[in-house]
Amino acid sequence: LAKTTQPISMDSYEGQEVNITCSHNNIATNDYITWYQQFPSQGPRFIIQGYKTKVKNEVASLFIPADRKSSTLSLPRVSLSDTAVYYCLVGSIYNQGGKLIFGQGTELSVKP
Amino acid sequence: NAGVMQNPRHLVRRRGQEARLRCSPMKGHSHVYWYRQLPEEGLKFMVYLQKENIIDESGMPKERFSAEFPKEGPSILRIQQVVRGDSAAYFCASSPSASGSEETQYFGPGTRLLVL
Repeated sequence: LAKTTQPISMDSYEGQEVNITCSHNNIATNDYITWYQQFPSQGPRFIIQGYKTKVKNEVASLFIPADRKSSTLSLPRVSLSDTAVYYCLVGSIYNQGGKLIFGQGTELSVKP
Repeated sequence: NAGVMQNPRHLVRRRGQEARLRCSPMKGHSHVYWYRQLPEEGLKFMVYLQKENIIDESGMPKERFSAEFPKEGPSILRIQQVVRGDSAAYFCASSPSASGSEETQYFGPGTRLLVL
């Protein structure tokens, strides 16, 4: 099972772009890269998912280099409400069945 | 379209009592997953169920814990003879089909269990 490594915490200010990088050196061919966001006292919420290159939606962008050994979640112009824990997950139904494997996550703190 | 619903949101039990946690998946979803989040830790997978079947219970403690997802009604996570170490947030997620990481799992708000 691919293990992920991401910074434990990050600080930012409102209006800045935040980039959170996740390392997954042992990613398998079938594995997807997925990011979830979790606010205090709430369940995780899907943000974005990708397999390779770049993915973008209305919330974030995900950059995946050609070797897929890392990925970067980019949050444009963060606000106070983006303060949360961000989890990088790597896996596929072929390699882990139905379970999602969460690491420790990155605790993002956005300051005014 | 209602999301994943869990109840109760908060549950207090004394040591030795039973805890029953309920999860109603999103409409049209037939796959349910339970996760546990201990204080200051990430979420840990417990069990994956489809209607009337347990698909993967590799994350479930061998004793005192059980889960079901009957043909009718919500999925139930049952903890017998609770101990203080069971105090945690229990999250349920659902998906429309089998989900590894390539299909989104939708999470409920969680049930916070406190064992006194």
